[in-house]
Amino acid sequence: SQQGEEDPQALSIQEGENATMNCSYKTSINNLQWYRQNSGRGLVHLILIRSNEREKHSGRLRVTLDTSKKSSSLLITASRAADTASYFCARSDSSYKLIFGSGTRLLVRP
Amino acid sequence: NAGVMQNPRHLVRRRGQEARLRCSPMKGHSHVYWYRQLPEEGLKFMVYLQKENIIDESGMPKERFSAEFPKEGPSILRIQQVVRGDSAAYFCASSPDRTGNTGELFFGEGSRLTVL
Repeated sequence: SQQGEEDPQALSIQEGENATMNCSYKTSINNLQWYRQNSGRGLVHLILIRSNEREKHSGRLRVTLDTSKKSSSLLITASRAADTASYFCARSDSSYKLIFGSGTRLLVRP
Repeated sequence: NAGVMQNPRHLVRRRGQEARLRCSPMKGHSHVYWYRQLPEEGLKFMVYLQKENIIDESGMPKERFSAEFPKEGPSILRIQQVVRGDSAAYFCASSPDRTGNTGELFFGEGSRLTVL
């Protein structure tokens, strides 16, 4: 399959805890992106990390990329109930397509 | 707020009917992508279009599905003779440039097709 693999498929945590989601892929990439999808809504871009970058921060989000292991992780610190959503990684191989993973469904309990 | 606009948001069709989904990209964007999402799954690429051109339709079924992005007006994803397996959420996304260069895609809220 071209799609990446994400784990865990589902994650349930308490408000205030950190949430970590992982993404693996099989081919070389130009960049890797993370998107968020609230139930019944479209996807919203969160962060992009290029193949020559190892770590990137945006507010409470931290993304790492290990191209030797072909994997990336998304860390959400101090989670809030409003962070409840599905999170998808998507890889771009310098062509025009984004290939999405199967997603992690995050539930943050108040 | 000129985001990506999709309509209809919800569409119900009986088997054998046609479904037409529309997408107006963000202002200034000339690249449109269509993705399909089944429940509890990720998005699967269907087709990439620029104005008046289909660049890549490798993810789109050869039969019954077609897409266009005319010089004027929205992009249209057309599904003829729908079957129950076509039931899904169809998302349109746009970008000002090819994904490999700019990265980010801007998504619409999706059109949810139900085939009875």
